[in-house]
Amino acid sequence: GAGVSQSPSNKVTEKGKDVELRCDPISGHTALYWYRQSLGQGLEFLIYFQGNSAPDKSGLPSDRFSAERTGGSVSTLTIQRTQQEDSAVYLCASSLNLVETQYFGPGTRLLVL
Amino acid sequence: KNEVEQSPQNLTAQEGEFITINCSYSVGISALHWLQQHPGGGIVSLFMLSSGKKKHGRLIATINIQEKHSSLHITASHPRDSAVYICAVRSGSARQLTFGSGTQLTVLP
Repeated sequence: GAGVSQSPSNKVTEKGKDVELRCDPISGHTALYWYRQSLGQGLEFLIYFQGNSAPDKSGLPSDRFSAERTGGSVSTLTIQRTQQEDSAVYLCASSLNLVETQYFGPGTRLLVL
Repeated sequence: KNEVEQSPQNLTAQEGEFITINCSYSVGISALHWLQQHPGGGIVSLFMLSSGKKKHGRLIATINIQEKHSSLHITASHPRDSAVYICAVRSGSARQLTFGSGTQLTVLP
């Protein structure tokens, strides 16, 4: 079956511009996670969604970051007024529920010039 | 001190060798994950465990809850096993994972 997909796979933007990253989870997965992996760094949790519950935004690094999940499926991570330190690979994962195995997408490589 | 510590940071082995990667954590956990990240960046979940041992093919993962320690073993290693192996924990009632810094494994032919 189809796995987690993300788009775009690569994004180059200029400092100060807004970007939107998209994640399509596995169908039927109620939990969706966003992570970030900066160059040479480990994975860092950003936000997760579980069903219709309020999302856990505790990992978002600043108020320039926001995410939404429409209809319990597709999610969009938005970064406003991008900075060079936002350059990273942004990974999305989904799972059947919060305690099940997470399946990762291929990631979006973001480069802010 | 990071909540999740992995060792070694880098590991080079010859094809066929038995490999062990270690993960120690400092918090009470509800589950521990082992992930594999290939050079292209894709991440695959290998194991999720909360007690005992799991085996899948040449991979074995063990966890000792009392000692707050887990190991990932690879038997009869192969160059295609070359990847970054990441340990991650879900602590208590938290929903998100906390990740170790990863172990870069290189298996030489």
